[in-house]
Amino acid sequence: GDSVTQMEGPVTLSEEAFLTINCTYTATGYPSLFWYVQYPGEGLQLLLKATKADDKGSNKGFEATYRKETTSFHLEKGSVQVSDSAVYFCALSDQGFQKLVFGTGTRLLVSP
Amino acid sequence: DVKVTQSSRYLVKRTGEKVFLECVQDMDHENMFWYRQDPGLGLRLIYFSYDVKMKEKGDIPEGYSVSREKKERFSLILESASTNQTSMYLCASSFQSTGGYHFFGPGTRLTVT
Repeated sequence: GDSVTQMEGPVTLSEEAFLTINCTYTATGYPSLFWYVQYPGEGLQLLLKATKADDKGSNKGFEATYRKETTSFHLEKGSVQVSDSAVYFCALSDQGFQKLVFGTGTRLLVSP
Repeated sequence: DVKVTQSSRYLVKRTGEKVFLECVQDMDHENMFWYRQDPGLGLRLIYFSYDVKMKEKGDIPEGYSVSREKKERFSLILESASTNQTSMYLCASSFQSTGGYHFFGPGTRLTVT
């Protein structure tokens, strides 16, 4: 079945550092890809998405490009802030009922 | 402001009890979902519903059932709670047209003792 693999955490960075969180997927067909973020004590919220190959999703300075040839959707940000500390989930959705398959999540800790 | 609300943020139940988790959305979404979140495992789908009175099993339905009598409300039922059902439960909803763009509730942390 479909699956998502993302890098283990926690990822610990200093403020203004460059961030990469790796995500790869296995899927039949042509899934849509997502990054969701969970801030402490809250539910998940959509950060960005891409629906087809070579699409780039972006939001709040974060970016990810749908790479079909490498089955990847890595999350990047050029300069992280303390307020970016959260857990980040990579996910894909099927083309049927659009249920999500999630990776295990990567905790990001940003220090001043 | 669009919302998905869950009936409790924290719940403590005893083994063998019947437990009801309620979820309500105000966005007229067709799809509703129940996920379970555990450390190191991410989120796993328990059940989902794409219409009133319709339900489909997800990846881990054993020990759970669901009910959707109205479009805005989706209930998760633990028929006889067990300690291995201690977890964070997240409800989500979405339009059928938006391909995986879920709105999530804040979660219910359930402890079964």
